[in-house]
Amino acid sequence: DAGVIQSPRHEVTEMGQEVTLRCKPISGHNSLFWYRQTMMRGLELLIYFNNNVPIDDSGMPEDRFSAKMPNASFSTLKIQPSEPRDSAVYFCASSFKGNTQYFGPGTRLTVL
Amino acid sequence: GESVGLHLPTLSVQEGDNSIINCAYSNSASDYFIWYKQESGKGPQFIIDIRSNMDKRQGQRVTVLLNKTVKHLSLQIAATQPGDSAVYFCAENSNGASGAGSYQLTFGKGTKLSVIP
Repeated sequence: DAGVIQSPRHEVTEMGQEVTLRCKPISGHNSLFWYRQTMMRGLELLIYFNNNVPIDDSGMPEDRFSAKMPNASFSTLKIQPSEPRDSAVYFCASSFKGNTQYFGPGTRLTVL
Repeated sequence: GESVGLHLPTLSVQEGDNSIINCAYSNSASDYFIWYKQESGKGPQFIIDIRSNMDKRQGQRVTVLLNKTVKHLSLQIAATQPGDSAVYFCAENSNGASGAGSYQLTFGKGTKLSVIP
């Protein structure tokens, strides 16, 4: 029984480069969430989708961040250009009709 | 300059004892609450949930208590084991207050549980 799948698990890049994080939600789930976790700020919601439509992106830090969900089984979070302060663990989570959110293993991003 | 990070509350418990982790929430309109466990290097893992029409719910070795009067949530772990060592987060959903269809969870800062063998 596959849970939420995220790739890559680790990403090291240089400042200014484009970074794309990928997420496959649990099959049948209709809500998808992107979070960022840092020691300074804890777990922050960046954006969430309901039935592939972005509902609330107020947590997206700035225009360098964008997220898409082209279909029910795939979402991307893109950072362009990346900066050292974007270094964090990025989690994707999914849920069915607002019930419990199930988290993926996360992508640890390091921007040098 | 000196960096300041989150200083997580820490609870140290002897193996075999019971643990109680507390959480205060702020939104009186919250109607759904979840406890998550996060082990080092992993994503948060669902433990147990409770709706606002209940004040207690039990799972395997875990019990969640909800006191809506003082907006307090607690997680009790019976016979704590080394594998219970992790950071525990409470989360609340105020779907009613945020409008129909709002599925956002608001997470607490977390409590670090350390089990002493």
